[in-house]
Amino acid sequence: ETGVTQTPRHLVMGMTNKKSLKCEQHLGHNAMYWYKQSAKKPLELMFVYSLEERVENNSVPSRFSPECPNSSHLFLHLHTLQPEDSALYLCASSQALDRPMETQYFGPGTRLLVL
Amino acid sequence: DQQVKQNSPSLSVQEGRISILNCDYTNSMFDYFLWYKKYPAEGPTFLISISSIKDKNEDGRFTVFLNKSAKHLSLHIVPSQPGDSAVYFCAARRQYSGAGSYQLTFGKGTKLSVIP
Repeated sequence: ETGVTQTPRHLVMGMTNKKSLKCEQHLGHNAMYWYKQSAKKPLELMFVYSLEERVENNSVPSRFSPECPNSSHLFLHLHTLQPEDSALYLCASSQALDRPMETQYFGPGTRLLVL
Repeated sequence: DQQVKQNSPSLSVQEGRISILNCDYTNSMFDYFLWYKKYPAEGPTFLISISSIKDKNEDGRFTVFLNKSAKHLSLHIVPSQPGDSAVYFCAARRQYSGAGSYQLTFGKGTKLSVIP
């Protein structure tokens, strides 16, 4: 397995459910990111981790809870979501956090539908 | 207010011709720019980038041009192929500004259709 992988690829959940999204990167990178892409909107950065420490939380509601147990894995725990949280959730990684000309590499995303 | 704008939601081009995708930005602090390509049901794939110290970067059929005074960049694909049909995102960041310099700001994307 190479690159950045995400599971599940599709998820349907009710507003009272608890679920988790998983991301794994096989690139030896030290920084990982969660993005949200809603219809007709640009990608929005949600969380950033560098060497397993959270460095960014972009005013994301507490019903989204990230976890980074090691530099290769990133989770997004979901609970009591709202229908407007339905979106494509993308994970990305980069070699380091803020080196010049750093490039982020994305996973395929999880398409989430909240009913 | 959007800091990175892709004003054309879609573009259709004949196979073999040139595709030109445009991107404008408003934040003069941006100094590194990237283009990503996204197929349906896949994540964005890095395509090409350019630093503000350059005005052109070329990689095979793909060339990115940067006009700093106009705060405008464009991606040229020559010749266009049906496999290039995808959504193209422009993104920008500040490289040397310390805290938050990792943050990529994305445009909404342009859907390119290359007609055989």
